[in-house]
Amino acid sequence: DTEVTQTPKHLVMGMTNKKSLKCEQHMGHRAMYWYKQKAKKPPELMFVYSYEKLSINESVPSRFSPECPNSSLLNLHLHALQPEDSALYLCASSQGWGGGEKLFFGSGTQLSVL
Amino acid sequence: SQQGEEDPQALSIQEGENATMNCSYKTSINNLQWYRQNSGRGLVHLILIRSNEREKHSGRLRVTLDTSKKSSSLLITASRAADTASYFCATVQTGANNLFFGTGTRLTVIP
Repeated sequence: DTEVTQTPKHLVMGMTNKKSLKCEQHMGHRAMYWYKQKAKKPPELMFVYSYEKLSINESVPSRFSPECPNSSLLNLHLHALQPEDSALYLCASSQGWGGGEKLFFGSGTQLSVL
Repeated sequence: SQQGEEDPQALSIQEGENATMNCSYKTSINNLQWYRQNSGRGLVHLILIRSNEREKHSGRLRVTLDTSKKSSSLLITASRAADTASYFCATVQTGANNLFFGTGTRLTVIP
């Protein structure tokens, strides 16, 4: 199994809603990532978990809250988002973290905030 | 972008032609990777070239790396309509851990 599975594929939410994005991998990878990608732009790193510990938070607003319940799962909890947060949210995993590991990406969640 | 810029931003070619896209970056790196992204989907890893390598091949892909010029190129030979996608280079700075993506090249291959 070389897949990273993200759910849901599409999400529309209001600014007062609370929702969660989910990501799962069964490759035994020990690093997992959240990236945000706006249309026609490169992915931007948000968070990195290494061995289930948050290793990097790239100055992401607190309305985004990551969680890594175990080595296979990664969640992104969303609360009080703004319309400018509308984007494609990509989860990725790698065997380890550091030194430029190859990333495996999920197909993303397309988020629209109304 | 934090690390890399790609050129051209967009490229349109006929099926069967070769496509070349370039990536320039700002600091010394551990390695450089290339990824492909079909419209609105996840990225797929294509090839990784280490800082001590100059050229690497994978099928119809050829990647070169010139660390003195801080640049890399991706050549796709005998292009197919299915190669239509955005292509991103990505680098990790020496001594750092995180992968940062270049601005991307949107390739269109016309059947």
